[in-house]
Amino acid sequence: EVQLVESGGGLVQPGRSLRLSCAASGFTFDDYAMHWVRQSPGKGLEWVSGISWNSGFIGYADSVKGRFTISRDNSNNSLFLQMNSLRGEDTALYYCAKSTWPAAIPGYFDYWGQGTLVTVSS
Amino acid sequence: DIQMTQSPSTLSASVGDRVTITCRASQSISSWLAWYQQKPGKAPKLLIYKASSLESGVPSRFSGSGSGTEFSLTISSLQPDDFATYYCQQYNSYWTFGQGTKVEIK
Repeated sequence: EVQLVESGGGLVQPGRSLRLSCAASGFTFDDYAMHWVRQSPGKGLEWVSGISWNSGFIGYADSVKGRFTISRDNSNNSLFLQMNSLRGEDTALYYCAKSTWPAAIPGYFDYWGQGTLVTVSS
Repeated sequence: DIQMTQSPSTLSASVGDRVTITCRASQSISSWLAWYQQKPGKAPKLLIYKASSLESGVPSRFSGSGSGTEFSLTISSLQPDDFATYYCQQYNSYWTFGQGTKVEIK
């Protein structure tokens, strides 16, 4: 059974940093691209960042480019999102999602975690 | 960037109704479109990929159609479990979601 378990969320002040993790199991992690998608309270889904199976492709939404860094550790079946210079508009539930392809494009997302909540507030 | 526009934003329907949600892309995305269902407090669930392919385990009352810039998701006979929010997503060039369509009980 595929499982994606996010962690690392919490309350953080504007301008500070936070690192999210996603522990994957139930599939061959290094065979697939992975993504982060966020959802602000009561709002829709927003793709944040994606990384191919071998980290050869990394992409970011314009809203986080230059502030967030995605990475993965295939030896430990883990995905990460380093979030720096956090803003109020980054407040959201952050989901880890598995792609259907090893390359990031043109994969869609067949499994999602339950999310970890990030609240940016003073 | 490719923009995705869904309509309607909210849809009121009854059990047994045939329901159609539309999704328009700002430029051609071929058939690189997926549909997801999300219930309150839950993660999105994949329903349809490549515009019209049904994900394994998804009931056959769900169907998708379209290509290029115009797409639709149809529920042939709405069931109580189908009241949820639905999102389209393009994956032709990076990834963009529509704003969502909430299907509520009439």
